[in-house]
Amino acid sequence: KAGVTQTPRYLIKTRGQQVTLSCSPISGHRSVSWYQQTPGQGLQFLFEYFSETQRNKGNFPGRFSGRQFSNSRSEMNVSTLELGDSALYLCASSLVGDNSPLHFGNGTRLTVT
Amino acid sequence: LAKTTQPISMDSYEGQEVNITCSHNNIATNDYITWYQQFPSQGPRFIIQGYKTKVTNEVASLFIPADRKSSTLSLPRVSLSDTAVYYCLVARNAGNNRKLIWGLGTSLAVNP
Repeated sequence: KAGVTQTPRYLIKTRGQQVTLSCSPISGHRSVSWYQQTPGQGLQFLFEYFSETQRNKGNFPGRFSGRQFSNSRSEMNVSTLELGDSALYLCASSLVGDNSPLHFGNGTRLTVT
Repeated sequence: LAKTTQPISMDSYEGQEVNITCSHNNIATNDYITWYQQFPSQGPRFIIQGYKTKVTNEVASLFIPADRKSSTLSLPRVSLSDTAVYYCLVARNAGNNRKLIWGLGTSLAVNP
């Protein structure tokens, strides 16, 4: 069974631009969540989607948004990029059921210059 | 919600048993404890999950005392390939509002 796939793997953008990241969950997984990871800050929760509905959101500004499609694939968008948005963005999928383990992709490394 | 605290780093040698403890003093009745392993440039990978007492799988054991205010991940006979960052996660499930509290990770270095 294929794992969680995130594209692109690396991305370089300049301040003020916007970016869209994509995540394809494991087949059969309907819950998708997104995280920002920076050195010293650990994993910061962005949002979680289930059946195309956002069911939880972390403490990030409105520049960060996401959505989920009917096939459970998800995208996240960051508008008006800032230097501080440089990070590894991770997507995780899980089965229905709140204690189901998260399965992570290898992330998208975003660099904002 | 439970705040998770774990050591920033640990050192060990090949063949030793490594125990990493996570503190979660305010853990609630319905919270579950999960541990993940992360290698550079990869996403975290699930290791083990538990609610109370002891859980064991093919790669690790998880010890949770009766008060559940801490948990200990035990890696038996580590090898160089176990060098990674280990994260403790406390998850609270409240209907559609799951809350996840991650520790900042413990960087384990296994030396030859």
